Amino acid sequence: SQKIEQNSEALNIQEGKTATLTCNYTNYSPAYLQWYRQDPGRGPVFLLLIRENEKEKRKERLKVTFDTTLKQSLFHITASQPADSATYLCALDMSGGGFKTIFGAGTRLFVKA
Amino acid sequence: GAGVSQSPSNKVTEKGKDVELRCDPISGHTALYWYRQSLGQGLEFLIYFQGNSAPDKSGLPSDRFSAERTGGSVSTLTIQRTQQEDSAVYLCASSSGTGANVLTFGAGSRLTVL
Repeated sequence: SQKIEQNSEALNIQEGKTATLTCNYTNYSPAYLQWYRQDPGRGPVFLLLIRENEKEKRKERLKVTFDTTLKQSLFHITASQPADSATYLCALDMSGGGFKTIFGAGTRLFVKA
Repeated sequence: GAGVSQSPSNKVTEKGKDVELRCDPISGHTALYWYRQSLGQGLEFLIYFQGNSAPDKSGLPSDRFSAERTGGSVSTLTIQRTQQEDSAVYLCASSSGTGANVLTFGAGSRLTVL
C-alpha cells in the first residue's frame, strides 16, 4: 500500500536561512501532492498543492517541487522566520483522481531568532 | 458555516463508555473525512464520505468505531466501549469533492479515556 515518509527528526535552522523538508512516497505517483502546516492544538492548514505534471510551484516564500521519478517532493521556506516554526505535513491521494487523502507523520520545524 | 466545526472540543470519559464526536462541515462540501492524531504522531486516516457513495471505512481500527453522515452534511463518529488507547485528537475535514482535493480541517476533538 502507499506509504508517505517524512523526516521524523525536528529541523532546527537559523532565522533568514532556507528550510528544506522532504516527502517521499513508496508506490504509484499521485495525481497531486499537498503540503499543510499544523500548529500545536490546531488542525492542519493547507499551504500548497502541486500536480503530477508540474515540476515546481511557488507561493510567496514557499516553493514545492515534485519529482515523480524519485517519488519525492521537497518543500522550501526561504528567508525563514520564527513564525514559520510549526509541523509541516505532506499529503497525497491514495488513488489517481480519487479523494481518499493520506498524510505523512510531519516534520517539526524550529526557526531560531 | 464559514469553517469546519467540531464538538465537543474536549471529552474525558471512563473506559468502557461510549462517546460521540460531531463534525459540521463547510456548507456545500460533499466530501468529509475523519482522522485520528495521537500525541506527537501524524494523522491516521479513519473514514471518508463522498456524496451519496458508500463511505470508505478502510481506516477504522476496530468494529468499536463507526461513523455516519446524515443528509450529506453533519457527521458523527461513535466509539463504543472506549479503551485507553483510543485517547487522541479526532480531526474532521471537508472538501468540495471536485478538482484538486484541498481539505479544510476543524480544530479537533480531544478525547481522553481514563
